[in-house]
Amino acid sequence: AQKITQTQPGMFVQEKEAVTLDCTYDTSDPSYGLFWYKQPSSGEMIFLIYQGSYDQQNATEGRYSLNFQKARKSANLVISASQLGDSAMYFCAMREVRGRSGGGADGLTFGKGTHLIIQP
Amino acid sequence: EPEVTQTPSHQVTQMGQEVILRCVPISNHLYFYWYRQILGQKVEFLVSFYNNEISEKSEIFDDQFSVERPDGSNFTLKIRSTKLEDSAMYFCASSEAGGFRLGYTFGSGTRLTVV
Repeated sequence: AQKITQTQPGMFVQEKEAVTLDCTYDTSDPSYGLFWYKQPSSGEMIFLIYQGSYDQQNATEGRYSLNFQKARKSANLVISASQLGDSAMYFCAMREVRGRSGGGADGLTFGKGTHLIIQP
Repeated sequence: EPEVTQTPSHQVTQMGQEVILRCVPISNHLYFYWYRQILGQKVEFLVSFYNNEISEKSEIFDDQFSVERPDGSNFTLKIRSTKLEDSAMYFCASSEAGGFRLGYTFGSGTRLTVV
């Protein structure tokens, strides 16, 4: 079973519109973290936003916000007022606290990504 | 802003050859990772390294792979006998102690092409 599911392989959005990228996850651990990364065509991975499983409020970072619905195991990324530079691959990822280091060294599990294209 | 540095950015190697991918993590970070991304696919975790030993590894990280922190700054991934299917982008990442909330910092990647 997929740990991270991103159901939108590609999206076209008009510039200045808000966009929601879907992410659902599967874990039985009570403690976990959810991340979103942006990968432009140049290839690097850029950290956008983080949500902890115990966080009471949805995370926000500038134009990025995370719509965290724990009961539904959903962690959608919302980009407000999209810009042409937002065109990229977007990956949702999860970190479960299961390693011997108590969480510090656990790897991320990524979804397959959503290719977002912002149109002028 | 501190960054994770990976060299080389692109490496072409013959099948069966050994390759070493190099990374310089952020200096005060304690946790180091390697990930790979086959072209057009998702990013996959390979291995994590903490306190001079492997902390966790995935099924992909078999006996042909090894990691090393030979000195205080470098973190390397060695592939002993490369196969065509090892062609991928390899990302190094690092995080601080308790870097859970702060996220990982990824390097720009090394694109490995096995011919």
